[in-house]
Amino acid sequence: GQSLEQPSEVTAVEGAIVQINCTYQTSGFYGLSWYQQHDGGAPTFLSYNALDGLEETGRFSSFLSRSDSYGYLLLQELQMKDSASYFCAVPTGANNLFFGTGTRLTVIP
Amino acid sequence: GAVVSQHPSRVICKSGTSVKIECRSLDFQATTMFWYRQFPKQSLMLMATSNEGSKATYEQGVEKDKFLINHASLTLSTLTVASAHPEDSSFYICSARGAGGPDNEQFFGPGTRLTVL
Repeated sequence: GQSLEQPSEVTAVEGAIVQINCTYQTSGFYGLSWYQQHDGGAPTFLSYNALDGLEETGRFSSFLSRSDSYGYLLLQELQMKDSASYFCAVPTGANNLFFGTGTRLTVIP
Repeated sequence: GAVVSQHPSRVICKSGTSVKIECRSLDFQATTMFWYRQFPKQSLMLMATSNEGSKATYEQGVEKDKFLINHASLTLSTLTVASAHPEDSSFYICSARGAGGPDNEQFFGPGTRLTVL
């Protein structure tokens, strides 16, 4: 089976940096994705790590350590519009995605 | 990027009514479409995977006779909630993947909010 654990809620100040962690247990591992979802909206793809290390895309970076079964999403220069839910997800051997428990990020002024 | 649409965006119906939700890939051919259900403040739970022209594969615990999925073309999949009840009220989201696309690349529709009275 699959298990992806994330903190349920995180609050951070506008302009700050925040890290959202994801620890996983999977039967077979193909990579770790991150998605952003605003209330009532569709999940949008942020990043994907297949190999260990840090991937940077603008203000967002994602890190993976396969030996630790752990990854994180790093958001820099936080903006109010970054308030949303963030999900880690893994492709499964059945060609679909399994989503983590989700982290609700609240950015405060 | 690829665009996926869903219709309707919101539906309110009486208990016992059947509801059909459409998912369309607008600018690419979706060989595989996925249907998810999301309850408030919870994660997306995969309900079923459908490949064009073949029967859908349902996840454990999802009743195939209640959640009827049809993927008749490379751009359209439909989910019909048969005889909906209040406990079926949820946010239903589809996603699509093109031919040869990596497993991690899915494009999500905007979702359909179903409320059963």
